[in-house]
Amino acid sequence: EAGVTQSPTHLIKTRGQQATLRCSPISGHTSVYWYQQALGLGLQFLLWYDEGEERNRGNFPPRFSGRQFPNYSSELNVNALELEDSALYLCASSLGVGNSPLHFGNGTRLTVT
Amino acid sequence: KNEVEQSPQNLTAQEGEFITINCSYSVGISALHWLQQHPGGGIVSLFMLSSGKKKHGRLIATINIQEKHSSLHITASHPRDSAVYICALDQGAQKLVFGQGTRLTINP
Repeated sequence: EAGVTQSPTHLIKTRGQQATLRCSPISGHTSVYWYQQALGLGLQFLLWYDEGEERNRGNFPPRFSGRQFPNYSSELNVNALELEDSALYLCASSLGVGNSPLHFGNGTRLTVT
Repeated sequence: KNEVEQSPQNLTAQEGEFITINCSYSVGISALHWLQQHPGGGIVSLFMLSSGKKKHGRLIATINIQEKHSSLHITASHPRDSAVYICALDQGAQKLVFGQGTRLTINP
């Protein structure tokens, strides 16, 4: 069984540009979660998608957005990039019912210069 | 005050030692997760607890809902257990709140 896959592995952008990060969940998982791990700040919850809808979001500005496609894969878009957006962005998936375990991808490391 | 506190922040031990990492929290939760993050950044979910105790191989996780406290134990520790261990609270609606992590180093 393939795990959660994220692409690209690394992404370098300049301030003001837009970044698009992609995530493919484990087959059969309908929920996708996005997290940010900035240096020295620990993991923070960004977004939760389930069945194509945004179900919850963390304390991030609207320039962080995303979507979930009919095949349950997901995109995270970050507009008007700022230097402090440099971080490891992790995606996780789950069955989305009850308290089902999370399965994490290896992350996309975004560097904003 | 942070909603979730982990201790210790850093822990160095010798191979074979019994390891305990603690997580205390101040809010109501529906579940608590223990995660392992290796230096490359990848995260593995170790346990999800809502009550009692769970065991997987050399790893044991316990939670006391009344005292708002959870522990992760590693028996017969090995250098490959070296990683950052993160406690995360699920307050419902899948919005996890993460601890700052405990960096564990096991020396051979």
